[in-house]
Amino acid sequence: DVKVTQSSRYLVKRTGEKVFLECVQDMDHENMFWYRQDPGLGLRLIYFSYDVKMKEKGDIPEGYSVSREKKERFSLILESASTNQTSMYLCASSIYRDYTTYEQYFGPGTRLTVT
Amino acid sequence: AQTVTQSQPEMSVQEAETVTLSCTYDTSENNYYLFWYKQPPSRQMILVIRQEAYKQQNATENRFSVNFQKAAKSFSLKISDSQLGDTAMYFCAPRNFGNEKLTFGTGTRLTIIP
Repeated sequence: DVKVTQSSRYLVKRTGEKVFLECVQDMDHENMFWYRQDPGLGLRLIYFSYDVKMKEKGDIPEGYSVSREKKERFSLILESASTNQTSMYLCASSIYRDYTTYEQYFGPGTRLTVT
Repeated sequence: AQTVTQSQPEMSVQEAETVTLSCTYDTSENNYYLFWYKQPPSRQMILVIRQEAYKQQNATENRFSVNFQKAAKSFSLKISDSQLGDTAMYFCAPRNFGNEKLTFGTGTRLTIIP
């Protein structure tokens, strides 16, 4: 089974702190994604990476950055956390084979509260 | 950019009944995929069913089936013989061919009543 894990289920940080959210997948997937999920808004893509050291902005990248130094790990960084970044953060990964991209597999999510 | 509309924020049905969740989307592409994902309470998001837009036949996975109407840009999910374990948020998500990104709808919260 594909496993996507996230470093924390719950996180509480103060305004202005630098926050790292970590995601690891164990299936050698090329693609990795970071979403935030808010009630009434669904999931919105923050950043996505299709290879080591490669990244592409999603729909709402402002206030976030990412790092992918190894294929299995994709980190989301909040440089200076703000209260409007309080949300559920979901990581996902997907495989790319034969010019076809398959389904995305999701982690359990990190509920971040910024006070 | 794609837009996805799930017009039913919440639904509830009795156990064993059939329920249909609606989804419409807007795309200028001809080749794309459509997905329904399920997020049970406090559990991970998982894929329910997928449909390739070039296939005329509607996808089916056990009790789950879709009604895909390409011209109308509609992709509804039918759950037959609903079970308590079907209680979850359901998200519709199209993806253009050759593009890795999914665009999610706002979700439908489905509750199965015993």
